[in-house]
Amino acid sequence: AQSVTQLGSHVSVSEGALVLLRCNYSSSVPPYLFWYVQYPNQGLQLLLKYTSAATLVKGINGFEAEFKKSETSFHLTKPSAHMSDAAEYFCAVGNRDDKIIFGKGTRLHILP
Amino acid sequence: DAGVIQSPRHEVTEMGQEVTLRCKPISGHDYLFWYRQTMMRGLELLIYFNNNVPIDDSGMPEDRFSAKMPNASFSTLKIQPSEPRDSAVYFCASIPPLGGNTIYFGEGSWLTVV
Repeated sequence: AQSVTQLGSHVSVSEGALVLLRCNYSSSVPPYLFWYVQYPNQGLQLLLKYTSAATLVKGINGFEAEFKKSETSFHLTKPSAHMSDAAEYFCAVGNRDDKIIFGKGTRLHILP
Repeated sequence: DAGVIQSPRHEVTEMGQEVTLRCKPISGHDYLFWYRQTMMRGLELLIYFNNNVPIDDSGMPEDRFSAKMPNASFSTLKIQPSEPRDSAVYFCASIPPLGGNTIYFGEGSWLTVV
């Protein structure tokens, strides 16, 4: 069975500061891992995904995530936060023949 | 492509009424998912289909919920009878063949049961 844990339901960072959103996963097979972003009153859109190629994955809007098998982690980072990054972020795990499971989400607040 | 299309976008209904949510996946996609999102429980997978066949419905909360996919371009999620605790945003999503599991979400159906 697969599962995803996102640490921290709310994270606040100052504009210009590093963004770090944590995600740990559990999977019995090599996983696909994803980060999705949800802006208010909208659906989810893909930020980036890991599919067993490079362990450091670059996504849209300057975000990236690193797959660390030994730590079963897939944390999302961005060097410098922007006000427009305020949203809810979801980590997800899945593979081709199984359902995709989402974490409970982390709401990112950007402080001016 | 128009993306995943859901209807209605917003619905307010009275407790006990039947609610039907509709979804048109992106053409050619072979997986379809129904998710429910609430503040308390986050994003929950209710059911998913592969090539129109239900694969896993273990997330469907109870018998009041049912989902169908009569063809590759249409799916429904029905709640009968509806209850206030069903108030949530319901998302439909689809995945293309060999798509590396990138899910494409619709904009959601916002359901309020009063």
